[in-house]
Amino acid sequence: GAVVSQHPSRVICKSGTSVKIECRSLDFQATTMFWYRQFPKQSLMLMATSNEGSKATYEQGVEKDKFLINHASLTLSTLTVTSAHPEDSSFYICSARLGARAEAFFGQGTRLTVV
Amino acid sequence: TQLLEQSPQFLSIQEGENLTVYCNSSSVFSSLQWYRQEPGEGPVLLVTVVTGGEVKKLKRLTFQFGDARKDSSLHITAAQPGDTGLYLCAGSMDTGRRALTFGSGTRLQVQP
Repeated sequence: GAVVSQHPSRVICKSGTSVKIECRSLDFQATTMFWYRQFPKQSLMLMATSNEGSKATYEQGVEKDKFLINHASLTLSTLTVTSAHPEDSSFYICSARLGARAEAFFGQGTRLTVV
Repeated sequence: TQLLEQSPQFLSIQEGENLTVYCNSSSVFSSLQWYRQEPGEGPVLLVTVVTGGEVKKLKRLTFQFGDARKDSSLHITAAQPGDTGLYLCAGSMDTGRRALTFGSGTRLQVQP
């Protein structure tokens, strides 16, 4: 299957600082990528759809100024958590769908801990 | 309200037992995927089903898509400790929405 690489896998930051998470499609071009948040023992919650060359589409209840998404190339999308607070601590996962195919491939996830 | 409901939410069984996980919805999906996720990692695709009534087998795992494409099941035969993980179903709809709709998840624990 296609490979999606996410970096970093773990990050600890202080309250008030910003953290950037990268998501790369390694062997295919992804005009659209997706960012999810996952709480312990729960399913994935879609935060936003990242569109190459245009603004991201955010799900209801997700603050776009808090979670900045940039999709500047066909292989890279970034999620920046701005002015992070302890409640932003979570597992963040990106994914991309392979063209017109239905399957989505996921990055390894990023465990963010805000102290 | 979860668009895709999975049951059971949690299952703890002994090695060698059989089990079935269900994924149900009132909506029609053009395709449905099953993923397995281990702690601290991203979900890994197991299978995609597209046609109503379709059955796919992956070693000891059998996946079925309902005739009306509203539900799916995952059956594991002779479960092993390596099957432990979070199982997620996810559906694709013909609404132009590109993001998958995820089920609520089933956490499986297989005791040796």
